[in-house]
Amino acid sequence: NAGVMQNPRHLVRRRGQEARLRCSPMKGHSHVYWYRQLPEEGLKFMVYLQKENIIDESGMPKERFSAEFPKEGPSILRIQQVVRGDSAAYFCASSLTGTGYTSSYEQYFGPGTRLTVT
Amino acid sequence: AQKITQTQPGMFVQEKEAVTLDCTYDTSDPSYGLFWYKQPSSGEMIFLIYQGSYDQQNATEGRYSLNFQKARKSANLVISASQLGDSAMYFCAMREGGNYQLIWGAGTKLIIKP
Repeated sequence: NAGVMQNPRHLVRRRGQEARLRCSPMKGHSHVYWYRQLPEEGLKFMVYLQKENIIDESGMPKERFSAEFPKEGPSILRIQQVVRGDSAAYFCASSLTGTGYTSSYEQYFGPGTRLTVT
Repeated sequence: AQKITQTQPGMFVQEKEAVTLDCTYDTSDPSYGLFWYKQPSSGEMIFLIYQGSYDQQNATEGRYSLNFQKARKSANLVISASQLGDSAMYFCAMREGGNYQLIWGAGTKLIIKP
């Protein structure tokens, strides 16, 4: 049973270019979460999506960042006009259910995409 | 206010010794879950152990155990008989109530010395 897949694993972009990060959730999972990890820090929540819906994007920067999770295909985190401060590791996680009572870990993490902006 | 606090930025421990990584949390929700993840130098995030706020016993998973002290709001990770492969960043995280967000601490860098 394949885990959460993210690609590319490493991405280098020049300032001003666009970055597209892809996440394929675990089979059967319809809930996807994106987190960002800046160097030497813990993860920070960015956005939570279900198929074709953005449920919570409270952690997303207001400009340049967008996310989608279409009916078919992977979830995409898109960063337009990247700046050096966008350099970070971006993790995707997926779960079978979304909200609900707290129980054992439900979010399965992908290996992350390391974005470097030069 | 910080929801998750990990006060040890880095630790050096001799191989085969036990190690305790500190984590304190802050929440007013009676229902929550606490998680520990390991992040080796390769970068992936590996789940280690989980403790629910209503769990009566401290969680254990192999060499990992969670010292859960609810009144003190602490959830320290204990690794018994440390190994060189335990060298990594360790993160404590919390999920409150029915919320889906994981809230993360800043992490502790653990280095095991041979």
